[in-house]
Amino acid sequence: KAGVTQTPRYLIKTRGQQVTLSCSPISGHRSVSWYQQTPGQGLQFLFEYFSETQRNKGNFPGRFSGRQFSNSRSEMNVSTLELGDSALYLCASSVAGGSNNEQFFGPGTRLTVL
Amino acid sequence: QKEVEQNSGPLSVPEGAIASLNCTYSDRGSQSFFWYRQYSGKSPELIMSIYSNGDKEDGRFTAQLNKASQYVSLLIRDSQPSDSATYLCAVVNTGGFKTIFGAGTRLFVKA
Repeated sequence: KAGVTQTPRYLIKTRGQQVTLSCSPISGHRSVSWYQQTPGQGLQFLFEYFSETQRNKGNFPGRFSGRQFSNSRSEMNVSTLELGDSALYLCASSVAGGSNNEQFFGPGTRLTVL
Repeated sequence: QKEVEQNSGPLSVPEGAIASLNCTYSDRGSQSFFWYRQYSGKSPELIMSIYSNGDKEDGRFTAQLNKASQYVSLLIRDSQPSDSATYLCAVVNTGGFKTIFGAGTRLFVKA
């Protein structure tokens, strides 16, 4: 079974631009969560989607948004990029999320904002 | 108070020893707990999950949970240099749809 895939793997953008990251979960997994990982803050929860619905959201500004499609693939968008948005963005999938949330992570997208 | 706290380490143990990693959490209603391992430059991988008080063993790994003390631990027996990584404790919140990660403990196993 193929693992979680994320595209692109690397991105370089400038301040003020916007970016869209994509995540394809493991086949059969319907829950997708997004995380931001930085050396200073560790893994920070962004949001979780299940059946095209956002069920929870972390403490990030509204510039960070996401969506999930009917095939469970998910995208996240960051608008008006800031230098501090430079990070590794990880997506993780699980069968249904919730309490039994054994997650499997993709390789991540490394975003650099100049 | 952070929602999930771990000692950042580094924790250094000799090969063959037991490594003990600890984690405390603040959400008393949490019911699901996980340990992930992250090698440098790689994404986290799930190694253990635990939902009930007590011990859960899987090979060289034992997870321990004490909900009354809001404490989770991971023991690695017969530690190997290949176990050198950052270990992340993760807790699902009371609502069930948000997983909070600790900052991680760096483990070094010396050959």
